Amino acid sequence: DAGVIQSPRHEVTEMGQEVTLRCKPISGHDYLFWYRQTMMRGLELLIYFNNNVPIDDSGMPEDRFSAKMPNASFSTLKIQPSEPRDSAVYFCASSFAGVRGYTFGSGTRLTVV
Amino acid sequence: QKEVEQNSGPLSVPEGAIASLNCTYSDRGSQSFFWYRQYSGKSPELIMFIYSNGDKEDGRFTAQLNKASQYVSLLIRDSQPSDSATYLCAVPQTGTASKLTFGTGTRLQVTL
Repeated sequence: DAGVIQSPRHEVTEMGQEVTLRCKPISGHDYLFWYRQTMMRGLELLIYFNNNVPIDDSGMPEDRFSAKMPNASFSTLKIQPSEPRDSAVYFCASSFAGVRGYTFGSGTRLTVV
Repeated sequence: QKEVEQNSGPLSVPEGAIASLNCTYSDRGSQSFFWYRQYSGKSPELIMFIYSNGDKEDGRFTAQLNKASQYVSLLIRDSQPSDSATYLCAVPQTGTASKLTFGTGTRLQVTL
């Protein structure tokens, strides 16, 4: 298995632009999570899905953030418009039945200038 | 009180020594606990999980859980320079085994 695949690995964008991050979970995993990591706040859960359905989006900072999971093998996290304070590493993770922890993707390092 | 607390470190130990990493949590209903290792610039990697009070050993790693005192520890025996990383403690929220809350991590430095 190739693990959780995220793209792009790095993204540099200008303030106000739309940013789309992509994730392909491990096949057979029914949970998908989007986390954001910064030095100041550590790992923060943004949203998670179970069987493609959003379960908890209480961690999404504001309406500029949205996430979708159109099928079991693909999810997107979109920021529109982006702001410098959105600069962080965004991780996607997946798990089976939520047990035994998650497998993380390699992350997307987002820089908004 | 934060849900999951860890000392940020850095914790410096000489090669071959035992490294002891600690984590306290606030939710008494928590049933399972996870330790992740994160190398600089990399993603977190699961190294241990523990459900029951007591110790769980896996190679050089031992997880210790004390539910009464609400802490979980990770011991690394015979520490190696390759163990230098940030160690994250994670605890599921009560009622949802799937939603993990992470501590901010303890940075471990193993010196030669």
